[in-house]
Amino acid sequence: KNEVEQSPQNLTAQEGEFITINCSYSVGISALHWLQQHPGGGIVSLFMLSSGKKKHGRLIATINIQEKHSSLHITASHPRDSAVYICADVGDKLIFGTGTRLQVFP
Amino acid sequence: EAGVVQSPRYKIIEKKQPVAFWCNPISGHNTLYWYLQNLGQGPELLIRYENEEAVDDSQLPKDRFSAERLKGVDSTLKIQPAELGDSAVYLCASSLGGWGSDTQYFGPGTRLTVL
Repeated sequence: KNEVEQSPQNLTAQEGEFITINCSYSVGISALHWLQQHPGGGIVSLFMLSSGKKKHGRLIATINIQEKHSSLHITASHPRDSAVYICADVGDKLIFGTGTRLQVFP
Repeated sequence: EAGVVQSPRYKIIEKKQPVAFWCNPISGHNTLYWYLQNLGQGPELLIRYENEEAVDDSQLPKDRFSAERLKGVDSTLKIQPAELGDSAVYLCASSLGGWGSDTQYFGPGTRLTVL
């Protein structure tokens, strides 16, 4: 059974700080999905990646297939980045982590 | 371009009552997903459709849950009868391509409260 674990579960930061959220999975996957869920429930897809690194604005996602690990980085964090960040492995089953709740304070 | 549309946004019912949720995916998206999300947890897949075919319903509690996507476009998820433990947010998502190959776009969800 594949398990997806995220760390930390909760994260607070001051505006401008560099943020890293980690995701580990136990079974080899074909791709990993990073999602953002704002208060109120709306889910937005950030990245889907199967190797290397992807960048979109201040967000950077990396994945190491051999180590079964992915990271989501936020540079120059802002209060509007406050949300729950969820990673999901896209294998035989789409399995979601429980999310990392990020709060960025001004 | 309109996103994934779900209705209703909120539903409160008493236990043992039936309830139905509706989802209209993004136009042209062949794959449709229904998820359940409990408070503080990540979404859990209930059923996945490729066009009108349910290709993965292994996690759908079939004794009380049912879903359909008759014309391969919009979809309905039904619970009958609802139980207290069914209180959750029910999310619908769609993607252009198939499983694992394309970004999923999520609807706003339906928050169900069973009293």
